[in-house]
Amino acid sequence: ELKVEQNPLFLSMQEGKNYTIYCNYSTTSDRLYWYRQDPGKSLESLFVLLSNGAVKQEGRLMASLDTKARLSTLHITAAVHDLSATYFCAVAPDSGGYQKVTFGTGTKLQVIP
Amino acid sequence: KAGVTQTPRYLIKTRGQQVTLSCSPISGHRSVSWYQQTPGQGLQFLFEYFSETQRNKGNFPGRFSGRQFSNSRSEMNVSTLELGDSALYLCASSLEQGAIAQYFGPGTRLTVL
Repeated sequence: ELKVEQNPLFLSMQEGKNYTIYCNYSTTSDRLYWYRQDPGKSLESLFVLLSNGAVKQEGRLMASLDTKARLSTLHITAAVHDLSATYFCAVAPDSGGYQKVTFGTGTKLQVIP
Repeated sequence: KAGVTQTPRYLIKTRGQQVTLSCSPISGHRSVSWYQQTPGQGLQFLFEYFSETQRNKGNFPGRFSGRQFSNSRSEMNVSTLELGDSALYLCASSLEQGAIAQYFGPGTRLTVL
């Protein structure tokens, strides 16, 4: 059974600081997703990482994937208040069932002005 | 292009009742997946439909069922509601089964009293 662990669960940081969210998964996978969720809202897709060494950046967020270590990171650079949200990673098994993703527990990020 | 729509957005039911939720995917998308989000269990995959057939199923009891129509619209049904079924139910659509991108709807907030 695929397990996905995210840490930290909660993250309070000041504006302007950098931080990294980690996502570990237990079995091989051919794709990893990062999503953002604002309170009471749906999921917004941030990144899809498909191969070992993949790195994608959008604004102050950068995601990377190391399939050998079964680890993905979401790095936040010079955080701003608007980035406050819960961030989820999700992993799809490489045995098929592409939409049968397993989600991490989420990291609730609070950026303090 | 209109996004994924879900109806109703909010629903209150009592234990023992049944409920039907609806999801209309993005025009042209043929794969629909359903997810349950609760504070305790997080985000969990329910099932995926493609071409009116269930392709994948998560670990939920038989009280949870779904179907997909020829126009790709999908419904999920929960019978004999329990308090623990209170959750945000999210629907996601993809172009094809196995497509990389999933687009999530706004969700249906179900409260069971």
